[in-house]
Amino acid sequence: GESVGLHLPTLSVQEGDNSIINCAYSNSASDYFIWYKQESGKGPQFIIDIRSNMDKRQGQRVTVLLNKTVKHLSLQIAATQPGDSAVYFCAVGGTSYGKLTFGQGTILTVHP
Amino acid sequence: GAGVSQSPSNKVTEKGKDVELRCDPISGHTALYWYRQSLGQGLEFLIYFQGNSAPDKSGLPSDRFSAERTGGSVSTLTIQRTQQEDSAVYLCASSRTSRQETQYFGPGTRLLVL
Repeated sequence: GESVGLHLPTLSVQEGDNSIINCAYSNSASDYFIWYKQESGKGPQFIIDIRSNMDKRQGQRVTVLLNKTVKHLSLQIAATQPGDSAVYFCAVGGTSYGKLTFGQGTILTVHP
Repeated sequence: GAGVSQSPSNKVTEKGKDVELRCDPISGHTALYWYRQSLGQGLEFLIYFQGNSAPDKSGLPSDRFSAERTGGSVSTLTIQRTQQEDSAVYLCASSRTSRQETQYFGPGTRLLVL
């Protein structure tokens, strides 16, 4: 079955630094990948997604990289701000419908 | 526009009681999902509705859990004879369709079973 893991459970950075959060997945047939941000007491908030026909996608201050060869994706946050402090989840979609498998989450703490 | 809404936001119940959790998806979204998030954990898939198709119940942890979606819109997740291990945040999400579409989440219902 599908499993999704994160390399680091916590990440602490200084304001202004770039942050990189990693995620590994197991099913090579997975074709849809999403990053969510979850602040305390709130539901996950969509950040950015990427489909398997792409290797890189950029948003505002965020970039997602997908390496299908090693089944790895990462989220890069440029010029990290204190407001970026949250738990970040990667989620992976399978080949049939929209059911997502979520990773355990990485806690990002940004120090002013 | 309005996002996914859930009610109640918090629910405290006694072991053995039944609870109902409600989800109002984004208007026009045909797919609706329920997930469960235990403290400090990722999200666990529970059930999925797509249009008028039979729901995928493969993630429901026991037969005490059930869900329905009326009129293709509002959904209710019911937990019968609640147990302490049912304590978690129950999250609902919806998407326009089911295939490679962004799932938008509600704020969740925090359930505490005493």
